[in-house]
Amino acid sequence: EVQLVESGGGLVQPGGSLRLSCAASGFTFSRHWMHWVRQAPGKGLVWVSRIDSDGNSLTYADSVKGRFTTSRDNAKNTLYLQMNSLRAEDTAVYYCMSETVLGLWGQGTLVTVSS
Amino acid sequence: QTVVTQEPSLTVSPGGTVTLTCASSTGAVTSDYYPTWSQQKPGQAPRALIYTTSNKHSWTPARFSGSLLGGKAALTLSGVQPEDEAEYYCLLHYSGVHVFGGGTKLTVL
Repeated sequence: EVQLVESGGGLVQPGGSLRLSCAASGFTFSRHWMHWVRQAPGKGLVWVSRIDSDGNSLTYADSVKGRFTTSRDNAKNTLYLQMNSLRAEDTAVYYCMSETVLGLWGQGTLVTVSS
Repeated sequence: QTVVTQEPSLTVSPGGTVTLTCASSTGAVTSDYYPTWSQQKPGQAPRALIYTTSNKHSWTPARFSGSLLGGKAALTLSGVQPEDEAEYYCLLHYSGVHVFGGGTKLTVL
């Protein structure tokens, strides 16, 4: 089955860190660019970052630049999002998304930043 | 700060036709922005509908179509069904950075 499954969300204190994972299956993960997208409670979708198929080209939204790092392990078919210096405004459901030609979305994982 | 603008809300009758649009603060939207459309229903993850302006996925119902219209990206629903009530988001690509629109809440009434 072609799918993306996120994990790693949870409750973290402001200033803390968290690493999200996105496990891909059913397609050749190593050939495709991937994105992270987030959605704060009751709000719209916000693009977070993009990584190319090799992991050599990365871009980030200004709101997370310098705090979040996207990476991938093509041998494990897994995408990662390392989130540091977390703030209350980072509270959101985080989705991984394939490059748009594939049209795949994960089910999301909730990150709550609160003391 | 690039802003992508969508209609906040639209209402359509069952069986009717409605067009949602997606505008860029940088100027006219072209195919170089690789417009993408996704649908999201309450409590669910988004689902991709259209990519690169007008291409459909295998699961995209035939009543959905994408185009460029008057300098904007557009999503047209023809023969709207009750199950089309949802939030619709466009996504544009700006030289490596992507920006979502604020979403259009489509009500079928």
